[in-house]
Amino acid sequence: DIQMTQSPASLSASLGETISIECRASEDIYSNLAWYQQKSGKSPQLLIYAANRLQDGVPSRFSGSGSGTQYSLKISGMQPEDEGDYFCLQGSKFPLTFGSGTKLEIK
Amino acid sequence: QVQLQQSGAELVKPGTSVKLSCKASGYTFTSNHMNWIKQTTGQGLEWIGIINPGSGGTSYNVKFKGKATLTVDKSSSTAFMQLSSLTPEDSAVYYCAIGAGWGQGTLVTVSS
Repeated sequence: DIQMTQSPASLSASLGETISIECRASEDIYSNLAWYQQKSGKSPQLLIYAANRLQDGVPSRFSGSGSGTQYSLKISGMQPEDEGDYFCLQGSKFPLTFGSGTKLEIK
Repeated sequence: QVQLQQSGAELVKPGTSVKLSCKASGYTFTSNHMNWIKQTTGQGLEWIGIINPGSGGTSYNVKFKGKATLTVDKSSSTAFMQLSSLTPEDSAVYYCAIGAGWGQGTLVTVSS
């Protein structure tokens, strides 16, 4: 199975701050990577797919980058509504595997 | 827009089975493979498997083979997941999902 190592596990950011979350795959996943946001008690919402494609309706302050085994999600200008859990998902090979998640809070 | 409506919470006894449902709307049911995912506080998110609603073909995570069985009913655009021989370790929120759209989740609690 492809292991997805996500960091950091938690992050505290000030309003307006730019933050990054990383996912490293145990092998090349050829940009088959998605990023999700999950708020408490809710189902995950797709932010980014194919490593850097912004899902319709997602604010442009979210962006994704990376290739091969290294990927990142950037939030350019933290907003209160960005608090929540974030995780990556690789779709290159079955079984699909998830990162362990990052809890993002407002400082 | 894509909507996936999952069945309600279940409280079940160890050793029994449960069948969860996921009714799809807002898109052509047979045009998107349906994933099932398990979420727990301890283990995080685990992919259970995927079903092609058009053909009924499935692929399972080895970890869930024998535990989960995925089926669909094309006439009602509904996907199902049966979980068998339940233990407390199967207590979790289970989601159905197609890429951009996830259901609201079904909480399964296994307790005597």
